[in-house]
Amino acid sequence: AQSVTQLDSQVPVFEEAPVELRCNYSSSVSVYLFWYVQYPNQGLQLLLKYLSGSTLVESINGFEAEFNKSQTSFHLRKPSVHISDTAEYFCAVSDQGAQKLVFGQGTRLTINP
Amino acid sequence: NAGVTQTPKFQVLKTGQSMTLQCAQDMNHEYMSWYRQDPGMGLRLIHYSVGAGITDQGEVPNGYNVSRSTTEDFPLRLLSAAPSQTSVYFCASSYPLGGSYNSPLHFGNGTRLTVT
Repeated sequence: AQSVTQLDSQVPVFEEAPVELRCNYSSSVSVYLFWYVQYPNQGLQLLLKYLSGSTLVESINGFEAEFNKSQTSFHLRKPSVHISDTAEYFCAVSDQGAQKLVFGQGTRLTINP
Repeated sequence: NAGVTQTPKFQVLKTGQSMTLQCAQDMNHEYMSWYRQDPGMGLRLIHYSVGAGITDQGEVPNGYNVSRSTTEDFPLRLLSAAPSQTSVYFCASSYPLGGSYNSPLHFGNGTRLTVT
């Protein structure tokens, strides 16, 4: 069975500071990995995904994540955050493509001015 | 393009009552699913469907029924509501017919359900 652990339930940072949201997974087979973002009172939106190929994946708004197979991790990073990045971030894993996902507990990112 | 539409947005039920949460998508997606979101637990899969007439159980199916008579609709039924079913429910779809198996999930905006 697969599982995902997000190590921090809340991460407060100052605007323009760097941030890392940690995600570890367990799976006995090849995996697909995802980060979703949930803004207040909305559904989840895909931020980025790792399916195969390059282990470093990037989003259009400056986030990146690196698949580390030996450490079974898929941490999300951004070098300089903005107030608009305030949201809850979910890491997810699947062994069946992009549909049947197992989600982590979520990390609430709060940006202070 | 409306995407994934969930109704109602809010609902309060008494213990033992039944109701149906509606989900419709207009993207011709084959795959549809229901998740519940609880604080500190992330999202957990309740039921899913890979096409009309085909449904299967997820991680937490007890107390919920689904059916998929059309490609567009995937209603979730609570047969006898319990306080433990107080949660935010999300419907999600993906995988357009003939499209990529790795197309991402599209989520609705959720239904916030309270059972008293």
